[in-house]
Amino acid sequence: RKEVEQDPGPFNVPEGATVAFNCTYSNSASQSFFWYRQDCRKEPKLLMSVYSSGNEDGRFTAQLNRASQYISLLIRDSKLSDSATYLCVVTFLYIPTFGRGTSLIVHP
Amino acid sequence: SAVISQKPSRDICQRGTSLTIQCQVDSQVTMMFWYRQQPGQSLTLIATANQGSEATYESGFVIDKFPISRPNLTFSTLTVSNMSPEDSSIYLCSVRRVGSPYEQYFGPGTRLTVT
Repeated sequence: RKEVEQDPGPFNVPEGATVAFNCTYSNSASQSFFWYRQDCRKEPKLLMSVYSSGNEDGRFTAQLNRASQYISLLIRDSKLSDSATYLCVVTFLYIPTFGRGTSLIVHP
Repeated sequence: SAVISQKPSRDICQRGTSLTIQCQVDSQVTMMFWYRQQPGQSLTLIATANQGSEATYESGFVIDKFPISRPNLTFSTLTVSNMSPEDSSIYLCSVRRVGSPYEQYFGPGTRLTVT
């Protein structure tokens, strides 16, 4: 079983739609969690941290479920510019493990 | 966030040669890392660059193949030695800032093609 698993997609959604991604992790002692965004041929960029209490930033909401060992990212009112690959990152002892990413395509 | 630059941004190299990639950060950072990302794959950690001492390598990566230097808190180099086509990949420098022990920031990457 991979340490961090994501559905690679692609998720193909119309503008304005709500879309959600999940990411599961295998190490129950993992300490911190993040979502990164990576545009085509660009470096990953930190999107947001993920907490058990939830974290909202505008149209983006991230959630952590420690009991079930998954994190989620919800994007509301999708924009064309949201098209990218979303990487889940799980950290243990300061060492991060990246998921393969979920591809999102928002179309007009 | 930290401003990170990498040189070169891309290169095409012949089999058997070596390439050194530089990473420069605009502020002091606590940790510097080198990653590899092959097409359609996630990021794979090569090693943690330690200031003034030998890098800490992940399983599957060795110093002879990927020597790393970090002479100060803002600069590091990764050398890809004796290259083969399997080394074709994007190599990314990543840092953590003082006061942010978990958040990581990435350089723009070096796109390497080995022929």
